[in-house]
Amino acid sequence: AQRVTQPEKLLSVFKGAPVELKCNYSYSGSPELFWYVQYSRQRLQLLLRHISRESIKGFTADLNKGETSFHLKKPFAQEEDSAMYYCALAQGGSEKLVFGKGTKLTVNP
Amino acid sequence: NAGVTQTPKFQVLKTGQSMTLQCAQDMNHEYMSWYRQDPGMGLRLIHYSVGAGITDQGEVPNGYNVSRSTTEDFPLRLLSAAPSQTSVYFCASSYGLAGKIVFGPGTRLTVT
Repeated sequence: AQRVTQPEKLLSVFKGAPVELKCNYSYSGSPELFWYVQYSRQRLQLLLRHISRESIKGFTADLNKGETSFHLKKPFAQEEDSAMYYCALAQGGSEKLVFGKGTKLTVNP
Repeated sequence: NAGVTQTPKFQVLKTGQSMTLQCAQDMNHEYMSWYRQDPGMGLRLIHYSVGAGITDQGEVPNGYNVSRSTTEDFPLRLLSAAPSQTSVYFCASSYGLAGKIVFGPGTRLTVT
């Protein structure tokens, strides 16, 4: 069965420090992975898709099939990055998402 | 273009009561879904629909019903509310690209 694991419930860093939010997955097929972000009092929104290999708001994420990981990274965290981050997996081509339990990132001044 | 809208924003129910959470989208998306968000549990899929007249169960469907009579609307019905259904409910839609899902603002439901 597919599963997404985000080992850290909470992550706190100082402004300007690098940040890495971990995501590991288990899936037997070819996974499609995503990062969603939920800022305070706002709806969930898509941050990154592994297929597009893009950088959004300074964040990047690389799919490592050998380690079954899709960690989210940013070299210099900003206070406005404070939010809840969810890693999600879609079965190949499906729109049904399996979410991790989320990591709450706090960036301190 | 309002995107995905949900009503009500907040609701308090007594155990045993029934109600319908409304969801509508104006983007002509074929795919719509309902998730519940619980602290420490992330988001879990309740029901989804790949088009008008077609629905299927997600990970946690018990206690919920859905129907999809139009492309635009996808209501979620709680048949007999239980305290375990206290949660934030998100409706979402997409146009067929995995992961490019647009979420609604959520409905915060409390069952006492």
